[in-house]
Amino acid sequence: QVQLQESGPGLVKPSETLSLTCSVSGASISSYYWSWLRQPPGKGLEWIGYIYYSGSTHSNPSLESRVTMSVDVSKNQFSLRLKSVTAADTAIYYCAKYNSAWYGFDFWGQGTLVAVSS
Amino acid sequence: QSALTQPASVSGSPGQSITISCTGTSSDVGSYDRVAWYQQHPGKAPKLMVYEVIKRPSGVSNRFSGSKSGNTASLTVSGLQAEDEADYYCCSYAGSSTWVFGGGTKLTVL
Repeated sequence: QVQLQESGPGLVKPSETLSLTCSVSGASISSYYWSWLRQPPGKGLEWIGYIYYSGSTHSNPSLESRVTMSVDVSKNQFSLRLKSVTAADTAIYYCAKYNSAWYGFDFWGQGTLVAVSS
Repeated sequence: QSALTQPASVSGSPGQSITISCTGTSSDVGSYDRVAWYQQHPGKAPKLMVYEVIKRPSGVSNRFSGSKSGNTASLTVSGLQAEDEADYYCCSYAGSSTWVFGGGTKLTVL
């Protein structure tokens, strides 16, 4: 069974950079695509982007200029950096495995709340 | 890239059937059979219920079924049960390796 766990600061100051890591167990990070999604409190889901183990990435056009994703094969982890954050970036951030055969996100982390506030 | 349109809420009694619509455009739902539906219970992560419009992952009840016509996809839940009460989100491939979600629909089992 694939399991994902997000980690990172729960509070980030405005204009700074949000950094999160997703640790994967039960699957090799070299075998699949891996994604980040977010959900502002009480609101809907938003796809942020996904990364392949080779480093190839694709991002939501609305966030592309602020998003950087990376993968660490040796640690079976992948990471998200979102720069120049504002209060609008306050959300529960999820990492998920993207199933390219199904065109769907089939395994999700539990999510981590990141608040942007001074 | 605009969010897909879903009704804010739907409701039904136990044993009944309900349908949730998801309207996109010819650039997303209308162009690709790559629509998925996710169920989210309060405080939990989303769960994949339907993928590629009509397919179900192993372990998902056959009471959940998907369909699509033109720019609108639909999720039907038959034989409603109390445990089906949750938020449901549609998601479509939107071209150029990007994805777009709907705003979500709250299903209430009366």
